[in-house]
Amino acid sequence: DTAVSQTPKYLVTQMGNDKSIKCEQNLGHDTMYWYKQDSKKFLKIMFSYNNKELIINETVPNRFSPKSPDKAHLNLHINSLELGDSAVYFCASSQEVSGTGGPYNEQFFGPGTRLTVL
Amino acid sequence: AQSVTQLDSHVSVSEGTPVLLRCNYSSSYSPSLFWYVQHPNKGLQLLLKYTSAATLVKGINGFEAEFKKSETSFHLTKPSAHMSDAAEYFCVVTIISNFGNEKLTFGTGTRLTIIP
Repeated sequence: DTAVSQTPKYLVTQMGNDKSIKCEQNLGHDTMYWYKQDSKKFLKIMFSYNNKELIINETVPNRFSPKSPDKAHLNLHINSLELGDSAVYFCASSQEVSGTGGPYNEQFFGPGTRLTVL
Repeated sequence: AQSVTQLDSHVSVSEGTPVLLRCNYSSSYSPSLFWYVQHPNKGLQLLLKYTSAATLVKGINGFEAEFKKSETSFHLTKPSAHMSDAAEYFCVVTIISNFGNEKLTFGTGTRLTIIP
């Protein structure tokens, strides 16, 4: 059973297009994340949702809009794609330690979505 | 400000020899520290974590790391490298986000190559 799944695995698109990446976790976790990994393997958090509420929002262009329809899903929609958006996007989930607000528990990562903008 | 530095971008060792991947951190409070591994074209997997319990932390696949507050280090070691250890390794520290929550900040990664 896949714990954290992402679709699609590969996404190739033209500049200016709008695209979405979907993420689902079947671990019963209450917190989900989106990370961006650039060509130099540098990983940076973009967003985090806890029980469908946004709790982390890094300095990300507002062309990126996460949506969490329920605790098990966190989708990422990107408008007006740019060349610099090319990267691997990872979804992750964890069970937040109650009352601490901290990701002390292990984050489980999806396999990644490789986005290429031409 | 909190940050994490991985001192080597690339480490090569022969199979059967020890592995040392170095990580230093800076934090204004007692952070949690992690090591994650990423095999080629795969997601990340937690190797081990330090959360203010024992300073010597044992992880999966024979890896361990020692938290040294005086040196602000959290180096990852393994006594004997195996071919399957070839991967990218990330040292990770928790920092406070602008929302007041803790979040993970990743080091730049160390690529471990195992020589047969």
